[in-house]
Amino acid sequence: GDSVTQMEGPVTLSEEAFLTINCTYTATGYPSLFWYVQYPGEGLQLLLKATKADDKGSNKGFEATYRKETTSFHLEKGSVQVSDSAVYFCALAPRDTGRRALTFGSGTRLQVQP
Amino acid sequence: NAGVTQTPKFQVLKTGQSMTLQCAQDMNHNSMYWYRQDPGMGLRLIYYSASEGTTDKGEVPNGYNVSRLNKREFSLRLESAAPSQTSVYFCASRGGWETQYFGPGTRLLVL
Repeated sequence: GDSVTQMEGPVTLSEEAFLTINCTYTATGYPSLFWYVQYPGEGLQLLLKATKADDKGSNKGFEATYRKETTSFHLEKGSVQVSDSAVYFCALAPRDTGRRALTFGSGTRLQVQP
Repeated sequence: NAGVTQTPKFQVLKTGQSMTLQCAQDMNHNSMYWYRQDPGMGLRLIYYSASEGTTDKGEVPNGYNVSRLNKREFSLRLESAAPSQTSVYFCASRGGWETQYFGPGTRLLVL
């Protein structure tokens, strides 16, 4: 079945550091890929998405590129802020079923220190 | 625009008690989902509803029932709660481009 693997956290960075959170996936066909963010005590919010190979999703300074050849969707940000501290989830939605339920990675906690 | 709302926000149950988690969306979406979130495991699908009156089991349906009485509301029922059902429960609805919109979650503690 489909699966998503993320790097384990927590990831601790200083403010203005470069961020990479790795995400790889296994799926049949060509899924859509997502990054969701969860701030403390809140639900998940869509951060960015990509629906086909080589697409780049971007939002709030975060970027991720859909790499079919490496089945990856790594999240990057050039300069993190304390306000970016949260848990980040990589997820996929398959194309070939009507359910379109998301398969999530286990999440990566990011802690940004001033 | 409220998006996806869930009630209650927090609940404590004793083993064997029952309860219903409520979810409503005002975005006119057809598809709705219930997930549970456990530490280190991401979110796992409990049940799915493609439209009013239809439901389908997800990855971890045992111990749960659902009801989709209308387009807006999708409820999750625990008939006889067990400590293994201690979790955070999220409801979601699906909009365009397969994007899912999540509610704020219900934290459930079963003693």
